[in-house]
Amino acid sequence: DAKTTQPNSMESNEEEPVHLPCNHSTISGTDYIHWYRQLPSQGPEYVIHGLTSNVNNRMASLAIAEDRKSSTLILHRATLRDAAVYYCILREAGNDMRFGAGTRLTVKP
Amino acid sequence: GAGVSQSPRYKVAKRGQDVALRCDPISGHVSLFWYQQALGQGPEFLTYFQNEAQLDKSGLPSDRFFAERPEGSVSTLKIQRTQQEDSAVYLCASSRPRGGPYEQYFGPGTRLTVT
Repeated sequence: DAKTTQPNSMESNEEEPVHLPCNHSTISGTDYIHWYRQLPSQGPEYVIHGLTSNVNNRMASLAIAEDRKSSTLILHRATLRDAAVYYCILREAGNDMRFGAGTRLTVKP
Repeated sequence: GAGVSQSPRYKVAKRGQDVALRCDPISGHVSLFWYQQALGQGPEFLTYFQNEAQLDKSGLPSDRFFAERPEGSVSTLKIQRTQQEDSAVYLCASSRPRGGPYEQYFGPGTRLTVT
C-alpha cells in the first residue's frame, strides 16, 4: 500500500469543525482511502472510506481532492469524545491495512 | 450485536514463558487479522486468515510467533519464549470477505508485558 503523510498532532475547540489532512501523492487508481480512529485504551474504530467521490456518514465527511493525492477528514462539530488518534490509510480492495503514526487530535472544552 | 472480543485483556509474562492470546471475531466474519501495537505507534500487521486458512503471515516478526484458527472462528496467537521486545498491545480484527474495501472491526486488544 502507498504511504500517507499526516500531521503528528492537531488541536480543536469543542463544538467547532475539525479538518484533518492527509497527503498520499503516490496513491494508485485502485487504492481506497480509509480513516480509522483510536480512542485511548481501545482498538481502532472505522470512521469512513472513499475512492474518488466525497463521502458522508453519521460520523464524518471525507473530502477527496480531484487528483486524489490528498484527502481531508471533516468532523463537523468536535466533541470531547472525538479526542483520539486518527489514521489515514490507503488500501487496495481486499488487501491488508498498513497504519502509520496518525494524527493525535486534542479537543479543548 | 457482539463485537470482537479478546482475552485476556492484560497479560504479564516472565521472559522465556509461552503465552496464548485469544480472539473471538464477529459471528459470520470470514476474515480475521492480528496486529501488534507498540507504545506510541500505529498498529502493525502480523497475519491474516480467511476462514481457517492462514493466507498471509508476512508480518510475524519471528518464528516464535504462531497463529491458528482451526475451525474458522476463534483464533489464537501464540508467542513462544517471550522476549521483552514482545511487550505490546496485540489487536485482533475481523471483517467480511477480503475481496472488497470492507471495514475491519477491532477488539480492545491484549496488553502483553514481558518482565
